[in-house]
Amino acid sequence: NAGVTQTPKFQVLKTGQSMTLQCAQDMNHEYMSWYRQDPGMGLRLIHYSVGAGITDQGEVPNGYNVSRSTTEDFPLRLLSAAPSQTSVYFCASSPETSGNYEQYFGPGTRLTVT
Amino acid sequence: GQSLEQPSEVTAVEGAIVQINCTYQTSGFYGLSWYQQHDGGAPTFLSYNALDGLEETGRFSSFLSRSDSYGYLLLQELQMKDSASYFCAGETGANNLFFGTGTRLTVIP
Repeated sequence: NAGVTQTPKFQVLKTGQSMTLQCAQDMNHEYMSWYRQDPGMGLRLIHYSVGAGITDQGEVPNGYNVSRSTTEDFPLRLLSAAPSQTSVYFCASSPETSGNYEQYFGPGTRLTVT
Repeated sequence: GQSLEQPSEVTAVEGAIVQINCTYQTSGFYGLSWYQQHDGGAPTFLSYNALDGLEETGRFSSFLSRSDSYGYLLLQELQMKDSASYFCAGETGANNLFFGTGTRLTVIP
């Protein structure tokens, strides 16, 4: 199993551009989530999904959209990038339909918005 | 609101025992998880306490006291590779997981 994969690993955007961060898992996990991590800080939940077709907002959802058309994929869309969205983005999945069990994290996408 | 407080840094000697504390203020709290993150890497799951008491997994143990809104991670027989950041995380209702700001552990020879 590849586990949780994320692409790209690095990305530089200009203010106002849009893009999609890709996340895929091959473990047939129902629960998937997106976090951002700013320097010296913990992770903050952006959006999560408890199954295909079901998504919900986390702590910091503004400026981001998600969809879950398949169990495997959970892309994160930045609608109009802002410098405040410069961060490291992690995607995670879990076999439980809840966030507070073992979550498997992808390697992260390091995003810089200029 | 939801907040989880951890010490920002801890230093310990190789072979020793270290405890990393986590105090929280959350509403509708469901349990406490712990994650390890090496510099430049992804978080990896260490443990989860759904109930009060001690959970042991090899050299790592985690403790939860709901009445005190307090938990800790205990690392025994410290190794150099244990140098990393450690995060506690708590879940309120509706699958919302909140992470603490992390404790940077430095293991010295």
